[in-house]
Amino acid sequence: GNSVTQMEGPVTLSEEAFLTINCTYTATGYPSLFWYVQYPGEGLQLLLKATKADDKGSNKGFEATYRKETTSFHLEKGSVQVSDSAVYFCALQNTGFQKLVFGTGTRLLVSP
Amino acid sequence: GAVVSQHPSRVICKSGTSVKIECRSLDFQATTMFWYRQFPKQSLMLMATSNEGSKATYEQGVEKDKFLINHASLTLSTLTVTSAHPEDSSFYICSATGGEAGANVLTFGAGSRLTVL
Repeated sequence: GNSVTQMEGPVTLSEEAFLTINCTYTATGYPSLFWYVQYPGEGLQLLLKATKADDKGSNKGFEATYRKETTSFHLEKGSVQVSDSAVYFCALQNTGFQKLVFGTGTRLLVSP
Repeated sequence: GAVVSQHPSRVICKSGTSVKIECRSLDFQATTMFWYRQFPKQSLMLMATSNEGSKATYEQGVEKDKFLINHASLTLSTLTVTSAHPEDSSFYICSATGGEAGANVLTFGAGSRLTVL
């Protein structure tokens, strides 16, 4: 079956630190991969996505590369800000289906 | 951009009562809406998929009679938790597809936290 595994949080960083949130997946076929972000009191927002192997998704300074050989889609940012504090969800979507399979979410806390 | 509104954001009810949660697409017509449930420190679990004007498709293990879903129009879907019990306490999130973003882009609501006493 399809599943997504994320590192447990919370991840606590100081402003301007480097961020990595690990995500690995198990899927049949060739899924699309996503990172969603949920700010306090708000709904999930699409942060970035990649639809095939070796694609790199990027947005707002965040990046993630679709690695088929390691079945991973790790989220990275070179310099985090306090405003990046949120919960980050990794997710996959199999081709032709609208359903998303989510990881457990990782809370990021960035202090000044 | 596409916006999905959920109401109420928080609700507390007594055991045995029913609670209705609304999910509205504010600026687009949502051909499909999804309802998720999120337990603390766990991932979002898909409960059901609803298409306007037809019966919802429930995921395995989700009680249809407990969680009633109605998608009466292209902008509104409702989830009714019937005869709620403390174990139904959870965070319920809806999402919708459609509009300019297309059928495969999901827009999420902010979620509704249900507490059953």
